[in-house]
This record gives sequence, structure tokens and C-alpha cells, in this order.
Amino acid sequence: NAGVTQTPKFRVLKTGQSMTLLCAQDMNHEYMYWYRQDPGMGLRLIHYSVGEGTTAKGEVPDGYNVSRLKKQNFLLGLESAAPSQTSVYFCASSYPSGGTKTGELFFGEGSRLTVL
Amino acid sequence: DAKTTQPTSMDCAEGRAANLPCNHSTISGNEYVYWYRQIHSQGPQYIIHGLKNNETNEMASLIITEDRKSSTLILPHATLRDTAVYYCIVRSTGTASKLTFGTGTRLQVTL
Repeated sequence: NAGVTQTPKFRVLKTGQSMTLLCAQDMNHEYMYWYRQDPGMGLRLIHYSVGEGTTAKGEVPDGYNVSRLKKQNFLLGLESAAPSQTSVYFCASSYPSGGTKTGELFFGEGSRLTVL
Repeated sequence: DAKTTQPTSMDCAEGRAANLPCNHSTISGNEYVYWYRQIHSQGPQYIIHGLKNNETNEMASLIITEDRKSSTLILPHATLRDTAVYYCIVRSTGTASKLTFGTGTRLQVTL
């Protein structure tokens, strides 16, 4: 199984450029998440989705947009990149917790974005 | 979701047990304690979780105090490959549950 796959893995942007990060999962998970991690810090939640066609804001949503048109894909968009968005971005997916499900998150390998 | 407090860093000799503490004094009755770790710059990896009983799996044991205000993750025989940042998180279950990661504990396993 591929699990959670993020593309691209590395990207350099100039200030003001736009881009989209793609997250794909093959585990039929309902929930998907986008986090960012800055050097020496923990992960901060940007946006998340509890199902196809539904998204919600996390802790640090400003400057980002997301879409969940298909259950297996979760896209993170930067419309006008800023140097403050230089970070490592992690996508994750999970089942809802409860019953026999642990609710554990499965993470991708990360996408390293630099904005000059 | 309740906040957690963890030491910034810990050291452990290889082969010894690593005991990582976590305080979650504001935890509520329906919140679980989850542990994840992040090795180098990889994506975090799930380790274990529990509600109020002690739990054990192939990776670790989780000890939760009776009042549920703190917990300890135990790696029984730490190896160099266990060097990582360990995150303790509390979360409630439900349709909109999500995990918030703090800065975790950096565990350094040494020879």
C-alpha cells in the first residue's frame, strides 16, 4: 500500500506565486488534514476535512485554501505565497475514532516549500 | 482539546527503559491520550493511545494515572532508532475530532 502520498516533495516559489500541494490516500479514510511544521516547532493544523466536499479551518488557516472534491484527495492551495509560508507541510488521513477504530493519523512524508 | 505539558528533552542509554512523562491536568472524561513520534524530519508515527486503563502494544506501554491528569509512555528497551521527538496529545472522539501537536519531548538514546 502507498498509504499517504504528497506531491511535490520539494518546491521553491517566489513571493506572490501560487501553487497547489496534492495529498492522496488509498486507505479509504474519511478524515484528512494539512499541517505545517516550522523549524524546532510542533505541527500546526491548517485545514482539515471530515468527508468529501467538506472542509474546516484549523489553527493557522490564513493564506491557504483547501478542497476535497474526491474522498481520496485533499488539495492545499497557496494563492499568493509569502516568505512566512516557508515550511514543511504534512498531510494526514484517518478514520473517525470510536468503536474498533483507533482514529490514528497516517502521515505523508512531507512537502518542503521555500518561498523567496 | 486539552493542553499537554512535556519536558523539552530527555536522554536514555541504549537498552534501558525510556519513561516519557506528560501532564494533561485539564483532560475531560471523553478525551483519549495519544502518543506519536517523529523521527528526524519524517511524518509523525502513531505509537499508542488510551482512555483510562494502561495499554501495551508491540512498540510501547502507556500508563495513565487514576485521576487521568498525567501519563507516561514507556519504551521498555530503547534503541538508537528510538531517538525522536515524542508528542503527547489529548483528543476527544467524535465526528470533528482532530489532533493538535505541541513541541513534544526530544528523546536522545545514547550508547
